[in-house]
Amino acid sequence: EDQVTQSPEALRLQEGESSSLNCSYTVSGLRGLFWYRQDPGKGPEFLFTLYSAGEEKEKERLKATLTKKESFLHITAPKPEDSATYLCAASLLTGGGNKLTFGTGTQLKVEL
Amino acid sequence: GAGVSQSPSNKVTEKGKDVELRCDPISGHTALYWYRQRLGQGLEFLIYFQGNSAPDKSGLPSDRFSAERTGESVSTLTIQRTQQEDSAVYLCASSQLTSTDTQYFGPGTRLTVL
Repeated sequence: EDQVTQSPEALRLQEGESSSLNCSYTVSGLRGLFWYRQDPGKGPEFLFTLYSAGEEKEKERLKATLTKKESFLHITAPKPEDSATYLCAASLLTGGGNKLTFGTGTQLKVEL
Repeated sequence: GAGVSQSPSNKVTEKGKDVELRCDPISGHTALYWYRQRLGQGLEFLIYFQGNSAPDKSGLPSDRFSAERTGESVSTLTIQRTQQEDSAVYLCASSQLTSTDTQYFGPGTRLTVL
C-alpha cells in the first residue's frame, strides 16, 4: 500500500534554531514529491516539488531535498512566522491525473 | 490574480440532511481535485476532474458522495444523508494540467454534522 509518513508530529524550536522535518514514502512509483505549508483555518500553500533523487530546492529559509526513500525540509534560522503545519505529499506514476497521497504533517512552532 | 475559492466557509447541518459544497477553480485550470481533511488525519483524495469528466472517483467513501463540474469551471460536491463521520474540512484544488502541475488549494469548507 502506498504510504507517506512524516516525523516528528510536532516540533518546537527557538527562533534561529535550525532543524529538519522528515517525510518518508513507500510508493509503487514516485512521479513527484510535494511540500505544502498550512496555516490554521487555511488551505495548503505550495512550497516545492521534487522529481528525482538528489534534487534540491530552496526558498528563503527553507530547503527541500529528495532521496529514493525520503525527503527532508530543512529550516535554517527559523522565525516565528515560519510556525505552521508542513505537509508532504506524493504523486504516483500509476493512475491518471495527479492525485496526491499526503502525510499527516509536522506541526512547527517557532518561539522567540 | 484570484485563487481557488470555496463556499460556504463553514456549514453546520443535522444528521440525515443533504449538503452541497462549491468550488471555483483558478480560471483556465483544467484539472480540479477534491480532498477531505479529518481532524488529526492527512488529506484524503476524493475525486478528480479533467475538464468536466471525472476519470478517477476512487476516493469517494460511499455512494452518498457525488460531484459534478460544469463549464470546465465550477464544481459541486454533494453529500446526501450526512453522517457524523462526514464532519471534516473539504478542500478543493486546481491545476493547469494534470501531469505534474502544482495543485493550488482553496481555503476549504468546514462541515460539521450534528
